[in-house]
Amino acid sequence: QKEVEQDPGPLSVPEGAIVSLNCTYSNSAFQYFMWYRQYSRKGPELLMYTYSSGNKEDGRFTAQVDKSSKYISLFIRDSQPSDSATYLCAMKDSGGGADGLTFGKGTHLIIQP
Amino acid sequence: NAGVMQNPRHLVRRRGQEARLRCSPMKGHSHVYWYRQLPEEGLKFMVYLQKENIIDESGMPKERFSAEFPKEGPSILRIQQVVRGDSAAYFCASSLGGDNQPQHFGDGTRLSIL
Repeated sequence: QKEVEQDPGPLSVPEGAIVSLNCTYSNSAFQYFMWYRQYSRKGPELLMYTYSSGNKEDGRFTAQVDKSSKYISLFIRDSQPSDSATYLCAMKDSGGGADGLTFGKGTHLIIQP
Repeated sequence: NAGVMQNPRHLVRRRGQEARLRCSPMKGHSHVYWYRQLPEEGLKFMVYLQKENIIDESGMPKERFSAEFPKEGPSILRIQQVVRGDSAAYFCASSLGGDNQPQHFGDGTRLSIL
């Protein structure tokens, strides 16, 4: 079983729709959870950074973490064609654990105009 | 540009040559991380460095790969005697350090081995 599972898609939705992206993980030591957006031929761009369980909202983006289910989500409201990209979830443990991030493979999102 | 700078953006090498990839962290950041992204694979952590120290190299291949972050100048990821399987995108990230500080990425170096 991979440490982080993420559906690669592609996920295609019409402009203006609410998008839901998800990851599951197996390592209960993960405490910090991130979502990155990656455009073709570019580096990952940090969207959301959360610690432990709960919700965090930033503009059109909402990140949710459910540690009991080992499940994280990213919601995008009022989706735009410019949101078309690959979305990567990432996570790490804390307190002297590994410093590198563990990534999902990414979900390719297409917003249709 | 205060972001993470990587160069070159593209690098072509023949089998057996050496590849050197450079990374300058964001201004004020002293913690650098290297990742590799193989085709159809996710980003994989390779090594974590602070100035003049390797902190965690648990993701580095045991042979041919090395990294440094000198007191002055950029961090360098060095691959000796490259093979076709080394073809990938190599990304550098930097942070302020500490668990609650996120990592910010550069746009990567795309290494192609002929």
